[in-house]
Amino acid sequence: AQSVTQPDIHITVSEGASLELRCNYSYGATPYLFWYVQSPGQGLQLLLKYFSGDTLVQGIKGFEAEFKRSQSSFNLRKPSVHWSDAAEYFCAVGLLGGGYNKLIFGAGTRLAVHP
Amino acid sequence: EAQVTQNPRYLITVTGKKLTVTCSQNMNHEYMSWYRQDPGLGLRQIYYSMNVEVTDKGDVPEGYKVSRKEKRNFPLILESPSPNQTSLYFCASTRLGNTEAFFGQGTRLTVV
Repeated sequence: AQSVTQPDIHITVSEGASLELRCNYSYGATPYLFWYVQSPGQGLQLLLKYFSGDTLVQGIKGFEAEFKRSQSSFNLRKPSVHWSDAAEYFCAVGLLGGGYNKLIFGAGTRLAVHP
Repeated sequence: EAQVTQNPRYLITVTGKKLTVTCSQNMNHEYMSWYRQDPGLGLRQIYYSMNVEVTDKGDVPEGYKVSRKEKRNFPLILESPSPNQTSLYFCASTRLGNTEAFFGQGTRLTVV
């Protein structure tokens, strides 16, 4: 069955430090991959997506993610974290087939940023 | 502006009292979905619709109903809400042949 694992439930970093959020997926075919961010009390905002092509994708707010097929991973990175990046981050796999269309989400990683 | 609009944003209700959460999109997307978000579980799909009058169950459909009478609207109906349906609900729309979803702002439902 398809699944998405985000191993880290909570991460705390200092402002200005680098960040890497891990995401592993289980899916037989080439996946559509997404990272969403949810700020407190807000909806979901798409940070970046991977469909095909270059395995390093750039997103909004200075985020990037790298697709590694051999490791079934799609880790999110940012070189220097800002206090406004404190939020919950969700990795997702998009499934599209005959008669269905859905996203499988990981459980999320809550990021705290220390000044 | 392209958007998915859910109403209400917050709702407190009592067990057994029927309620409807509305969802509307202005992007002419074929696919629409409902998800619920629970701590430690991420988001899980409740129901989806591939087009008008075409709906199907997602991963957690029990206790919910949906309808798709118009392309832009996809209401979520809880005919007899129970406390275990207390959750944050998101509506999403997706273009045909795509999996990138556009989400509404969410509806926080509390059933007491």
